[in-house]
Amino acid sequence: EAGVVQSPRYKIIEKKQPVAFWCNPISGHNTLYWYRQNLGQGPELLIRYENEEAVDDSQLPKDRFSAERLKGVDSTLKIQPAELGDSAVYLCASSLGPNTGELFFGEGSRLTVL
Amino acid sequence: ELKVEQNPLFLSMQEGKNYTIYCNYSTTSDRLYWYRQDPGKSLESLFVLLSNGAVKQEGRLMASLDTKARLSTLHITAAVHDLSATYFCAVDLNTPLVFGKGTRLSVIA
Repeated sequence: EAGVVQSPRYKIIEKKQPVAFWCNPISGHNTLYWYRQNLGQGPELLIRYENEEAVDDSQLPKDRFSAERLKGVDSTLKIQPAELGDSAVYLCASSLGPNTGELFFGEGSRLTVL
Repeated sequence: ELKVEQNPLFLSMQEGKNYTIYCNYSTTSDRLYWYRQDPGKSLESLFVLLSNGAVKQEGRLMASLDTKARLSTLHITAAVHDLSATYFCAVDLNTPLVFGKGTRLSVIA
């Protein structure tokens, strides 16, 4: 069974440029998460989806970040414009449901903003 | 606000030795997870602990949960180089997981 798939794996952009990340969760997983992991830190939640509905986006910097999960499957996370402090690894994870146990993570998208 | 603290944050240990990583959290929860992360890789689930007193073992790693003390431990027995990685605990409080900062383990000969 395929795991969580993310792309691109690496992205280098200049500040003020836009960037987008894509995630395909495990088939049948209704809950999708975007986490951000700064160097040497644990992942921090940005947004959580239950099917196509964003149910927890309190940590998402809404002035520059946006996300969507059309049709309740794939999801995209966008940053526009990017800032130097956005350099991090953006991890997508999925689970069967909100309280159904462990999260399964993708390999992440490493963003470097110059 | 749920806070999750791990210690130590860095651990260098010799092959064959035993050691314990600690995970303390600030709010009552009976669900805790341990993940492993290799450099440049994603997080791999190691253990799922779902009740007070839960103990899980896999190879040289054993995890336990004491919900009354709000403490989980990850015990390493007879460490080998392949265990070198960063280990995260994560607590579930009816919200998405909240992660500790991780313990970077280096096993040396």
